Amino acid sequence: EVQVVESGGGLVQPGGSLRLSCAASGFTFSNYGMNWVRQAPGKGLEWVSYINSGSSTIYYVDSVKGRFTISRDNAKNSLYLQMNSLRAEDTAVYYCARSPRAAAGTSFDYWGQGTLVTVSS
Amino acid sequence: QSVLTQPPSVSAAPGQKVTISCSGSSSNIGNNYVSWYQQLPGTAPKLLIYDNNKRPSGIPDRFSGSKSGTSATLGITGLQTGDEADYYCGTWDSSLSALGFGGGTKLTVL
Repeated sequence: EVQVVESGGGLVQPGGSLRLSCAASGFTFSNYGMNWVRQAPGKGLEWVSYINSGSSTIYYVDSVKGRFTISRDNAKNSLYLQMNSLRAEDTAVYYCARSPRAAAGTSFDYWGQGTLVTVSS
Repeated sequence: QSVLTQPPSVSAAPGQKVTISCSGSSSNIGNNYVSWYQQLPGTAPKLLIYDNNKRPSGIPDRFSGSKSGTSATLGITGLQTGDEADYYCGTWDSSLSALGFGGGTKLTVL
C-alpha cells in the first residue's frame, strides 16, 4: 500500500526555522517526483515545491523562493522541506504528495495526512 | 490570487448532475493537462481526474472531466450527500514554472 506520512510541524516564532519530513513506503520512492502542497486555515490549496526523482529539477512558488529548500534522500525514502525566515502567512497544513509521472506539474496521486505549521509569537 | 478561476460554490439535489468550471489561460490550461481533486471536510485532497479526463482506479464513472481551449470542467452525475466537499482544479503554468490550483468550489447537495 502506498503511503506518505508527514512530520515535523509545530509552533514557531516569526523569523524562525522548521524542517518538515515525509516518509514514503509501498512504492519505489526513487522513481517518482515529489511535492509539497500547503493549505492555510479555511483557505484553498497552494502548491509549494517540486523535486524530481534524481533531485536535478526543483521548482518553488514565488512566495517561498530563497526561504524554503526542498530535498530528498532516496536511500531513506524521505522527502524534506527546510523552511527558514518563516512568516505568519506560512501558517498552514503542509501536505506531501507524489507525482505519478516524471514531469513536474502532473497530477498528485497520493497525499499524506498533512502536518500543521503555525507561525506566531 | 489563484491563476485558475472556479466558482466559489455550486449546489444541486441528490441524484442530479452538476458541473464545476475551471478557467485559465494559454500558459496553463491551454497547453497542459488538468487534474481535479476532492477534499472532504477534515481530510487530505484526493485525486479524481488526471490528464484532463482520466479517472484513477477506484473513482466511479459518475465523475468525469473535459477540457476545451483554456477551460476545463468537472462533471458529477447521480449526486450523493457523500459528494459534499471542496473541489479543486490544478495544472502547470508554463510561464510561471509553477503549478496552480483553482480557488476551490464548495459543492452542496441539497
